[in-house]
Amino acid sequence: GDSVTQMEGPVTLSEEAFLTINCTYTATGYPSLFWYVQYPGEGLQLLLKATKADDKGSNKGFEATYRKETTSFHLEKGSVQVSDSAVYFCALTSGGNTGKLIFGQGTTLQVKP
Amino acid sequence: GAGVSQTPSNKVTEKGKYVELRCDPISGHTALYWYRQSLGQGPEFLIYFQGTGAADDSGLPNDRFFAVRPEGSVSTLKIQRTERGDSAVYLCASSLAGADTDTQYFGPGTRLTVL
Repeated sequence: GDSVTQMEGPVTLSEEAFLTINCTYTATGYPSLFWYVQYPGEGLQLLLKATKADDKGSNKGFEATYRKETTSFHLEKGSVQVSDSAVYFCALTSGGNTGKLIFGQGTTLQVKP
Repeated sequence: GAGVSQTPSNKVTEKGKYVELRCDPISGHTALYWYRQSLGQGPEFLIYFQGTGAADDSGLPNDRFFAVRPEGSVSTLKIQRTERGDSAVYLCASSLAGADTDTQYFGPGTRLTVL
C-alpha cells in the first residue's frame, strides 16, 4: 500500500542554520503531497502542499518540490528560527479522490538560539 | 471563522467502558475525517464522511469502533468495550469537498486514556 517515510529525528539546529527534512513516498497513483506542522501545544496545521510533479510548495520560508523521479518531497528552509521548533509530518493523498491522508511518522525539529 | 472543535479534550475511562468523542467541523465543509495518533507516530486514518455517509471506513481497526454524522455536520466517534490499546489522541479534520488536493483542517484532538 501507499506509504511515507521521513528521516528520523530529533533534528537539532542552531538559529539561522539550513534545514532539510527528507521525505520519500510509495504510491501507486498520482498523489498530492503535503507537509503538516504541529507546534508545541497546538493542533496540526498545513504548512505547504504540491499537487503534481515538479510543483513547488512554499510558505513561511519553507519550500518543498514534488519529485516524481525520486519519489521525494524534501522540506527545506534557508535560515531556521527558534519559533520553527515543532514536529513536521510529510503526508500524501493516494488518489480515489477521498482526500484520505497517509502520514509519515514525524520529525521533531529543535532550534537553539 | 471558527475552526474544527473537538470535545472532550481529555477522556479517561476504564477498560471495558463505552466512550463517545465529538467533532464539530468547519461550517460548510462536506468532508470529515477521523484519525488516531499514538505517541511518537503520525496520525493514522480511521474513517471519512462525505456528507452524512461514511465513504471510506477502511481504517477502523475492528467492530468496536463506529462513527456517525447524521446531519452532515457534527460527527461522533464511538468506541465500545474500550481496551488499553485504544489509548491515543483522536483527531478530527474537515475539508471543503474531500478532494485529494483539498487542505484538511484539524481539530485539537481528544486524548483518550484507557486505564
